[in-house]
Amino acid sequence: DQQVKQNSPSLSVQEGRISILNCDYTNSMFDYFLWYKKYPAEGPTFLISISSIKDKNEDGRFTVFLNKSAKHLSLHIVPSQPGDSAVYFCAASALQGAQKLVFGQGTRLTINP
Amino acid sequence: ETGVTQSPTHLIKTRGQQVTLRCSSQSGHNTVSWYQQALGQGPQFIFQYYREEENGRGNFPPRFSGLQFPNYSSELNVNALELDDSALYLCASRLAGPTGELFFGEGSRLTVL
Repeated sequence: DQQVKQNSPSLSVQEGRISILNCDYTNSMFDYFLWYKKYPAEGPTFLISISSIKDKNEDGRFTVFLNKSAKHLSLHIVPSQPGDSAVYFCAASALQGAQKLVFGQGTRLTINP
Repeated sequence: ETGVTQSPTHLIKTRGQQVTLRCSSQSGHNTVSWYQQALGQGPQFIFQYYREEENGRGNFPPRFSGLQFPNYSSELNVNALELDDSALYLCASRLAGPTGELFFGEGSRLTVL
């Protein structure tokens, strides 16, 4: 039962262009969403988050959009840089309970020069 | 401010053995959680500890157990190892609260032969 899905295992984008990573979820109890970035041999690092009371959150080059009716969120990176090449995980949690994070399978983003 | 550190970074065990993985939380963080990341998958929640008590558990059997110590360091113990336990085990810490972001360690890669 995959409650958080990232349907694109990989994405290749040219440097300077926009990268769009997508994530879908099925559990309507989720009300807090996060994106993590992971380089090889390192743990995931927090990138950006959004609460369900918002539909957009921006931090520098990174913007997360949330469409609650579609149970869909996306991460936009503009402009994309070579250092953005990594695996990106979408995660969701319900504020009630143990606040565990449910992760998607990840999308490997490659930024080409 | 030190980050989350885990040991050992790599280890190899045989089926049926027991393993203990260790984690030192980020300074000031009183909540620690453990995740299992199988190859090609996102991290899966094992359990969470707050003030030395387990306060949330994922879909893992009882042979996965943990401890949190007064200094907020933590252990993950796995008994009767199975081949499918081969994975990257991630420790993450945060401050208590509904939206505190998780800070991950680099992980311990366990191989079960």
